[in-house]
Amino acid sequence: EDKVVQSPLSLVVHEGDTVTLNCSYEVTNFRSLLWYKQEKKAPTFLFMLTSSGIEKKSGRLSSILDKKELFSILNITATQTGDSAIYLCAVGLRTSYGKLTFGQGTILTVHP
Amino acid sequence: DGGITQSPKYLFRKEGQNVTLSCEQNLNHDAMYWYRQDPGQGLRLIYYSQIVNDFQKGDIAEGYSVSREKKESFPLTVTSAQKNPTAFYLCASSYRAVNTGELFFGEGSRLTVL
Repeated sequence: EDKVVQSPLSLVVHEGDTVTLNCSYEVTNFRSLLWYKQEKKAPTFLFMLTSSGIEKKSGRLSSILDKKELFSILNITATQTGDSAIYLCAVGLRTSYGKLTFGQGTILTVHP
Repeated sequence: DGGITQSPKYLFRKEGQNVTLSCEQNLNHDAMYWYRQDPGQGLRLIYYSQIVNDFQKGDIAEGYSVSREKKESFPLTVTSAQKNPTAFYLCASSYRAVNTGELFFGEGSRLTVL
């Protein structure tokens, strides 16, 4: 059975802190790993990773994939209250277009 | 503006009643999906459709039904056979041919069964 596990499940930090969110997976026919941010309702796409060791970066957010150890991390530097959200990790398989298996999500709360 | 529209946003129903959640997209995407979100469990796939008039069961299809008569529309019916229907339901779509894996989500429908 395909499995995606995120840790921690929740995290409370103060503005300016740096956080690292983890996502590990056990799937067959891995194709890609995706990160989404869900602030209130609709998750929005952050990154898609397919190759090991290549960092993707967008502003204060960055992510990297390790296909040997089967995990990915999402880093957020200099956190702001607007970063408070649920961060979802999902894995796509070679055998199914678009169908993603999601982790439980990490609830990040950033206090002023 | 292109996007995915789900309705209603909030829905209350009595136990034993069927309910239908609407999902419409104008992104010209081939594939559409229904996910269920419960606290602490992330998103779980209910049904998905890669093309009109075709759909497949996801991981938790029992108690749900769908149809895909038009490319733009993928309604989900929560039947009385679904044992625990109270949840947040998300509809999504994607390009089938490109297969990037990126999904575009609607704003969700929150169903509460009393």
